[in-house]
Amino acid sequence: DTAVSQTPKYLVTQMGNDKSIKCEQNLGHDTMYWYKQDSKKFLKIMFSYNNKELIINETVPNRFSPKSPDKAHLNLHINSLELGDSAVYFCASSHEPGLRNTEAFFGQGTRLTVV
Amino acid sequence: ILNVEQSPQSLHVQEGDSTNFTCSFPSSNFYALHWYRWETAKSPEALFVMTLNGDEKKKGRISATLNTKEGYSYLYIKGSQPEDSATYLCAFNFNKFYFGSGTKLNVKP
Repeated sequence: DTAVSQTPKYLVTQMGNDKSIKCEQNLGHDTMYWYKQDSKKFLKIMFSYNNKELIINETVPNRFSPKSPDKAHLNLHINSLELGDSAVYFCASSHEPGLRNTEAFFGQGTRLTVV
Repeated sequence: ILNVEQSPQSLHVQEGDSTNFTCSFPSSNFYALHWYRWETAKSPEALFVMTLNGDEKKKGRISATLNTKEGYSYLYIKGSQPEDSATYLCAFNFNKFYFGSGTKLNVKP
């Protein structure tokens, strides 16, 4: 069973469209994250959700919005897509990051291409 | 935003060579330091979680050390094999995971 799964794996879409990427984890974790892998291959945190509450929101455009229907899911909605949004987006989950030995488990990534 | 830096950015070694790379992080308010291995077209997988100054962890030919007072961790690979080729990420856990940019290792047969 896949621990953290993202769909779709690839997404090609036109500028201006609205799209969603889904993420589900079956590990019983209480915290989920979205990361963006930028052009330099850095992993930059976008959001994290803990117990259905957004606890961190980095300087991400408000066209990006996370939606968590329950603690096993954290979906990423993107409105009015722009060319610069093209990247690989990774979902991850962990137990409470305040626990020292917790580790993050990652999904396979979604490669978004905006044309 | 916390700065986590890794060096070198990339490394090319021959099969059988031993190698090491560095992760630097803020030495104040240390909580935990993680190492991840990230193979191309896969997702990052955890290697080690290190929490105490002086920690040494080992998994097969890969080991890591931690110095929280000076803010660095070393990852060592002994007798590199082509299957060790991957990007090695470190992450500083301070209420969330701050990732370095990674060291991309290429082991030539």
